[in-house]
Amino acid sequence: DVKVTQSSRYLVKRTGEKVFLECVQDMDHENMFWYRQDPGLGLRLIYFSYDVKMKEKGDIPEGYSVSREKKERFSLILESASTNQTSMYLCASSFLGHGEAFFGQGTRLTVV
Amino acid sequence: GIQVEQSPPDLILQEGANSTLRCNFSDSVNNLQWFHQNPWGQLINLFYIPSGTKQNGRLSATTVATERYSLLYISSSQTTDSGVYFCAVLYNQGGKLIFGQGTELSVKP
Repeated sequence: DVKVTQSSRYLVKRTGEKVFLECVQDMDHENMFWYRQDPGLGLRLIYFSYDVKMKEKGDIPEGYSVSREKKERFSLILESASTNQTSMYLCASSFLGHGEAFFGQGTRLTVV
Repeated sequence: GIQVEQSPPDLILQEGANSTLRCNFSDSVNNLQWFHQNPWGQLINLFYIPSGTKQNGRLSATTVATERYSLLYISSSQTTDSGVYFCAVLYNQGGKLIFGQGTELSVKP
């Protein structure tokens, strides 16, 4: 069974804090993705990575950065959390090319 | 960029009814997937179906890539089928998985 694990289901952080969201996959997938989901806006791609140390901006990268030091782990970083980053964050992974994508359980982040 | 449109946006069914959800996309794609988002927010894989027809129990899906649409069929619906159904396409450019806005299904007992 493919497993994509996000470090937290629920997270509450204060405005201005540096926040790390972690995602680990166990299928040796090359691609990893971070999305955020907001009511009325659907799922929007923040960043993705197709290899270690490689990253590509998605549609809404502003206010975020990512790190991929190992193939199995992809971290999303909120450098200085703001209330408009309160959202559901979803991580996914897939094989390079046409691979089927699998998602983690999601992290509901609240910034107060 | 590619546009992915799902219809209907909302659907209410009585338990036991059948339904068809549609996903239209505006350009050629390498991959199409259907997901069900459960009440806890997790996206559950239903079908990986870039073309053709697949069936899994009461669910089946058909993608006609040349006409740029996919259909998800749910037969004999159950209350546990409730939730949001998403289609997502892997666009030729850049490997991004692009989502439709979803269909919110509510199955009443």
